[in-house]
Amino acid sequence: GDSVTQTEGPVTVSESESLIINCTYSATSIAYPNLFWYVRYPGEGLQLLLKVITAGQKGSSRGFEATYNKETTSFHLQKASVQESDSAVYYCALGEGVGDNSKLIWGLGTSLVVNP
Amino acid sequence: EAAVTQSPRNKVAVTGGKVTLSCNQTNNHNNMYWYRQDTGHGLRLIHYSYGAGSTEKGDIPDGYKASRPSQENFSLILELATPSQTSVYFCASGDVDFQNTLYFGAGTRLSVL
Repeated sequence: GDSVTQTEGPVTVSESESLIINCTYSATSIAYPNLFWYVRYPGEGLQLLLKVITAGQKGSSRGFEATYNKETTSFHLQKASVQESDSAVYYCALGEGVGDNSKLIWGLGTSLVVNP
Repeated sequence: EAAVTQSPRNKVAVTGGKVTLSCNQTNNHNNMYWYRQDTGHGLRLIHYSYGAGSTEKGDIPDGYKASRPSQENFSLILELATPSQTSVYFCASGDVDFQNTLYFGAGTRLSVL
């Protein structure tokens, strides 16, 4: 079945450093799945960070970027300079199907700790 | 602002007891979902609903029931709680299908002793 693999956490970085959280996927049931990054800040629910539905395109939000790479089946999350407020758990997900046949396949989540 | 509220936020239950987790959304979304997350697993779908009166089984429904009495409310019921149901539970709402943005509650941490 389809699956999502992401960097195992916790990932610890210092403020102003660059960040990359790896996400690779396996999509056997659909050629071009939709790809998502959700984030969960402490004490809050998950919220959508960014979504890309077209291979080769890049999504961006709050200084984070992720490019949908069909060749390497990857959707890595990057930020050039992290802030302490970026400390959170980040989830990569793959979407397939539409309507009643749609589903989301989730990665395990990557905990990010940004030290001041 | 879109809001999904879960209660309780923390719960300790005894094995064999009944547990009800509640979820309320003010988004006026048709669809609502219950997930659980455990170490070593991504979010796993337990039950979902397309609207008031509707409940559907997700990927891991065994041991759980769901109830959607209104557009706003969606409950997850553990009739006979077991230690294997110790987990963090998330409720979410959304429109159309899973490929559209889901809005999550803050989670309920359940411990079954």
